[in-house]
Amino acid sequence: EDQVTQSPEALRLQEGESSSLNCSYTVSGLRGLFWYRQDPGKGPEFLFTLYSAGEEKEKERLKATLTKKESFLHITAPKPEDSATYLCAVQGIQGGSEKLVFGKGTKLTVNP
Amino acid sequence: DTGVSQNPRHKITKRGQNVTFRCDPISEHNRLYWYRQTLGQGPEFLTYFQNEAQLEKSRLLSDRFSAERPKGSFSTLEIQRTEQGDSAMYLCASSLADLYEQYFGPGTRLTVT
Repeated sequence: EDQVTQSPEALRLQEGESSSLNCSYTVSGLRGLFWYRQDPGKGPEFLFTLYSAGEEKEKERLKATLTKKESFLHITAPKPEDSATYLCAVQGIQGGSEKLVFGKGTKLTVNP
Repeated sequence: DTGVSQNPRHKITKRGQNVTFRCDPISEHNRLYWYRQTLGQGPEFLTYFQNEAQLEKSRLLSDRFSAERPKGSFSTLEIQRTEQGDSAMYLCASSLADLYEQYFGPGTRLTVT
């Protein structure tokens, strides 16, 4: 069964203090790994898709990387508006399933 | 592109009542998904449609839950005889056939009293 574990559960940063969020996964065959941002009371907002080990994608202060066992979301010089829960999900190829399997998320708080 | 929409945004119901939620996907997306999210957890998959065909259902989808997507456009999720454990955020997502990214709506928050 596909599994995703995210760490840490919560992270507090000062504005400008760079850090990384971790997503460890086990999947029978990886179709894609996805990062989402979720604000309180809202639906997840799509950020990135990564398909194969070694792939990297960037968007503003965020950079996502992928290895065969884990993915990192690097946040460079974060701002208070980056405060949110960041969710990692995988989609496996076994059985042709289309479902995303999510981790519990990392709640990021950036203090001014 | 107006995004995925869901209605209602909030629903409070008494235990034992039936509730129905609606999801309108992004117009050109032929795939539609339902997930459930409880506090402190990531979304959990419930079911998935390609056009009007329901292709996959999770074991979380008990007999009290039913989903439809008539004509391959909007979808409804009905919960019969609601229980307190059904209280959660119900999320809908949609995607294009050849792309894997799923785009989520704002969710419907269900509270069963």
